[in-house]
Amino acid sequence: GAGVSQTPSNKVTEKGKYVELRCDPISGHTALYWYRQSLGQGPEFLIYFQGTGAADDSGLPNDRFFAVRPEGSVSTLKIQRTERGDSAVYLCASSLTRGSGTQYFGPGTRLLVL
Amino acid sequence: KQEVTQIPAALSVPEGENLVLNCSFTDSAIYNLQWFRQDPGKGLTSLLLIQSSQREQTSGRLNASLDKSSGRSTLYIAASQPGDSATYLCAVKYQGGSEKLVFGKGMKLTVNP
Repeated sequence: GAGVSQTPSNKVTEKGKYVELRCDPISGHTALYWYRQSLGQGPEFLIYFQGTGAADDSGLPNDRFFAVRPEGSVSTLKIQRTERGDSAVYLCASSLTRGSGTQYFGPGTRLLVL
Repeated sequence: KQEVTQIPAALSVPEGENLVLNCSFTDSAIYNLQWFRQDPGKGLTSLLLIQSSQREQTSGRLNASLDKSSGRSTLYIAASQPGDSATYLCAVKYQGGSEKLVFGKGMKLTVNP
């Protein structure tokens, strides 16, 4: 079956603008994760969903960042008033359920804030 | 603080060598450890997952070991090939209820023909 997909693959925006990044998890996976990867670094956790609810949002850097998963499948990461420091690759992952399973990652969205 | 470290940051070897990639973590109370591969400009591909109760996992030319007491994992790559060139990342899920993975910075491997 299809893997995790993310759109857009690249996004260029201007400082202060609003952006939305979309993640389609593997069908049937109830757990969904967002990470952010800066150049030369490993991914850093942002938020985790189990079903429709955000079970852990401790990694969101500030209140400009928000994510939703209204129907327990597709998720959208929303960034308000973007700053140049938000430039990074945003990675989405899913797993069959919470617990001991493998997290499968999408190709990421490369965000550049000018 | 729960951290994951990978040293060295980069490694360049001739084709055919057997390789050992190192990963260390600060807290032995882990749930599992996962090794990933990342090609330039791409997402992460899961290579091996080791549960905390396991000592090693094998897949083809790859073997990953886990020693919780010393806070270390190694990824062994046998008979390296140019196609193995990529960045290898180690990630730990710690006990305590959080589902997040804590990643190292990765090790960039170049296998020269």
